[in-house]
Amino acid sequence: QKEVEQNSGPLSVPEGAIASLNCTYSDRGSQSFFWYRQYSGKSPELIMFIYSNGDKEDGRFTAQLNKASQYVSLLIRDSQPSDSATYLCAVNINNDMRFGAGTRLTVKP
Amino acid sequence: DVKVTQSSRYLVKRTGEKVFLECVQDMDHENMFWYRQDPGLGLRLIYFSYDVKMKEKGDIPEGYSVSREKKERFSLILESASTNQTSMYLCASSFTIGTGEGYGYTFGSGTRLTVV
Repeated sequence: QKEVEQNSGPLSVPEGAIASLNCTYSDRGSQSFFWYRQYSGKSPELIMFIYSNGDKEDGRFTAQLNKASQYVSLLIRDSQPSDSATYLCAVNINNDMRFGAGTRLTVKP
Repeated sequence: DVKVTQSSRYLVKRTGEKVFLECVQDMDHENMFWYRQDPGLGLRLIYFSYDVKMKEKGDIPEGYSVSREKKERFSLILESASTNQTSMYLCASSFTIGTGEGYGYTFGSGTRLTVV
């Protein structure tokens, strides 16, 4: 089992819809959880982090964490074409950051 | 804003050459990392460092070495470049707080290395 798993996609949503990106992780000792956005040909950019169970909202983005289920998700409300990118989930345990392979999201106008 | 600067955006080197990739961060981060990213394989950790003169092997250290003589600079060295080292190389840095709860990484813009 991979340490961090994401649906590879591609995920396609219409403009204005909610995009839901999912990630599961294998190590129950994982302490902090991150979402990065990577545009084609660019480097990853941190957009959200979450440490505690529940939801964390930042503008159109909501990160959700369920440690019991070892599940973290990213919701993007009112999706825009500029949200089209690959989204990487990352999990940190004792300063060891593990990345998922990423989910490619396309938002169609 | 934290800046992580990689010295070259694109590099073309010949097989067998010794290649130096430089990374400098300006926010006094303790931790620095080198990754390579290849289509279908995601980010793979090559080496990392939690302090000056300290280095640890990541998942794929073979064929690489690193140097961290100053806190702000972390260099990746390809001792003898080979075609299978053609890749996007990403440097990252971060703070550490507490006993493991860390900040996210800030990545440099990447170096696309082609070995011919």
